[in-house]
Amino acid sequence: LAKTTQPISMDSYEGQEVNITCSHNNIATNDYITWYQQFPSQGPRFIIQGYKTKVTNEVASLFIPADRKSSTLSLPRVSLSDTAVYYCLVAPNYGGATNKLIFGTGTLLAVQP
Amino acid sequence: NAGVTQTPKFQVLKTGQSMTLQCAQDMNHEYMSWYRQDPGMGLRLIHYSVGAGITDQGEVPNGYNVSRSTTEDFPLRLLSAAPSQTSVYFCASSHDRFFPYEQYFGPGTRLTVT
Repeated sequence: LAKTTQPISMDSYEGQEVNITCSHNNIATNDYITWYQQFPSQGPRFIIQGYKTKVTNEVASLFIPADRKSSTLSLPRVSLSDTAVYYCLVAPNYGGATNKLIFGTGTLLAVQP
Repeated sequence: NAGVTQTPKFQVLKTGQSMTLQCAQDMNHEYMSWYRQDPGMGLRLIHYSVGAGITDQGEVPNGYNVSRSTTEDFPLRLLSAAPSQTSVYFCASSHDRFFPYEQYFGPGTRLTVT
């Protein structure tokens, strides 16, 4: 499974756009990129998933360059309630290895008023 | 739908005691998993199941047993608790047994072993 690297923490202010980048230099052809969000004292929550280019949903956008060695989670106009830990995961789209989704330590995003 | 439920929310055990953490989901998901989360270490996969009667080991299976007799339930058993098993335990499920990228997590069980 590809190893991921994220910043340990980031700070932002309300109303700003936040971009969290994840490095996955050893990503394989069959690997998909998934992001989760975790609030204190809660289980993680799925945010978004992608394979290449750009994916957007009601919560966030995911940008993946052509070489796929990194990905960027973009949160538009964050609020205090976006303060959480964000995890980047990489796993292949076939059974066996995919069943073992591995969470790293994530990025703690702190949003200030 | 209640989603994924876990009981108990909190538990204190003495070293050597046994207990079962309960996990249930009402979404008819075939895939279920157990994670533990320790401070500064993210989540680590303990065991998972792709359907009733099928279980497999994750990253840190030692000291834990699981079984899956029904689609809805996936209990995690600690046979002889150790202080190293003090952690927050999360159960999760997914509608896709082959590509379980989108998992729904329960609220967690905070376990302390003294």
